[in-house]
Amino acid sequence: SQQGEEDPQALSIQEGENATMNCSYKTSINNLQWYRQNSGRGLVHLILIRSNEREKHSGRLRVTLDTSKKSSSLLITASRAADTASYFCATDADAGGTSYGKLTFGQGTILTVHP
Amino acid sequence: DAMVIQNPRYQVTQFGKPVTLSCSQTLNHNVMYWYQQKSSQAPKLLFHYYDKDFNNEADTPDNFQSRRPNTSFCFLDIRSPGLGDAAMYLCATSRTKGQGRSGYTFGSGTRLTVV
Repeated sequence: SQQGEEDPQALSIQEGENATMNCSYKTSINNLQWYRQNSGRGLVHLILIRSNEREKHSGRLRVTLDTSKKSSSLLITASRAADTASYFCATDADAGGTSYGKLTFGQGTILTVHP
Repeated sequence: DAMVIQNPRYQVTQFGKPVTLSCSQTLNHNVMYWYQQKSSQAPKLLFHYYDKDFNNEADTPDNFQSRRPNTSFCFLDIRSPGLGDAAMYLCATSRTKGQGRSGYTFGSGTRLTVV
């Protein structure tokens, strides 16, 4: 069964605006990761947040994690046309304090940033 | 630069004709993964190697097999490709299970077309 579900499925904004994507998951996790995928390419790791963390920042990216609600959000501030891509959350499930060592991906959000 | 390389980028094969996709890494990571990603869908884990230990996902078809002759290389063999196997195949590595501080490193993928 799919672990992560993301919303919205698609997001269209103007350059300079902020973009927020949400991810929900079902089981306990070791960590949650966000990836970016340009059309027809592989995935690029953006940021990882561990289960005992609530917020992380990396440049224009801000990720929050609420383990009580089993949800995470990715905020991209001051978006650029070059941010146009698909964004996936992925969970590393917790196997009783350790990790199963594999990622389960959500369906992704397609972000389009118009110049 | 240390990286994950997949060859070829595009592969066309005939229905039922065995095909092999390759992945190499210069990161010296213990774990290598193969994901299948169909159009507009989430990447789906097929199997992974932790060193030489092979871990198959329960729903991975028997048609798919993998080999890891050494740390650097991993192969995906599709014994009798069907039209439904057309997809992007993504190889990824991680230093060890759950050690995701830098996330997983993905190759650029091989897009498989079955004719």
